[in-house]
Amino acid sequence: AQRVTQPEKLLSVFKGAPVELKCNYSYSGSPELFWYVQYSRQRLQLLLRHISRESIKGFTADLNKGETSFHLKKPFAQEEDSAMYYCALTNQAGTALIFGKGTTLSVSS
Amino acid sequence: NAGVTQTPKFQVLKTGQSMTLQCAQDMNHNSMYWYRQDPGMGLRLIYYSASEGTTDKGEVPNGYNVSRLNKREFSLRLESAAPSQTSVYFCASRATGVRGYTFGSGTRLTVV
Repeated sequence: AQRVTQPEKLLSVFKGAPVELKCNYSYSGSPELFWYVQYSRQRLQLLLRHISRESIKGFTADLNKGETSFHLKKPFAQEEDSAMYYCALTNQAGTALIFGKGTTLSVSS
Repeated sequence: NAGVTQTPKFQVLKTGQSMTLQCAQDMNHNSMYWYRQDPGMGLRLIYYSASEGTTDKGEVPNGYNVSRLNKREFSLRLESAAPSQTSVYFCASRATGVRGYTFGSGTRLTVV
């Protein structure tokens, strides 16, 4: 079965500290993985997709097929990074996204 | 360019009432989706429409119906609202060949 697991409901860090939001997945074959961000009471926005291997707002994520992980990382957290982060993958049929339960990142000064 | 527009933004219903949530996109996207967002549950797919004229059930379709009225519009109907349907509902769309979704701003529905 296809599944996305985000083990942490809440991650609290201080400004300037490194951040790692964990995401593990279950999928047969080669998955397409994404990170979405939702700032307070706003719409979800695409942050990263693994095929692009890009860095957005200082965040990066590397697909590790051996560990079936797609962790989101940032070396120095900023207060404006506080938000809900969702990891997602495309279902086997390629017709829809399956989301994890989300991790709230709280960055305090 | 408005992207994905959802109406209404907020709604309170009494148990048993019906209502339709509206979604429209102006990006000429083929695929459209309805998700519900609940605390601790993430986003769960209710229904989707891969193209105009087709609709398919997602993970949690019970209690909902959808209509893909045309390429732009995809509505979600609650025939007899229940308190368990209290949630934030998000509509999204996607262009063919593009994997990332564009989301609307959500409808916050409370059923009392």
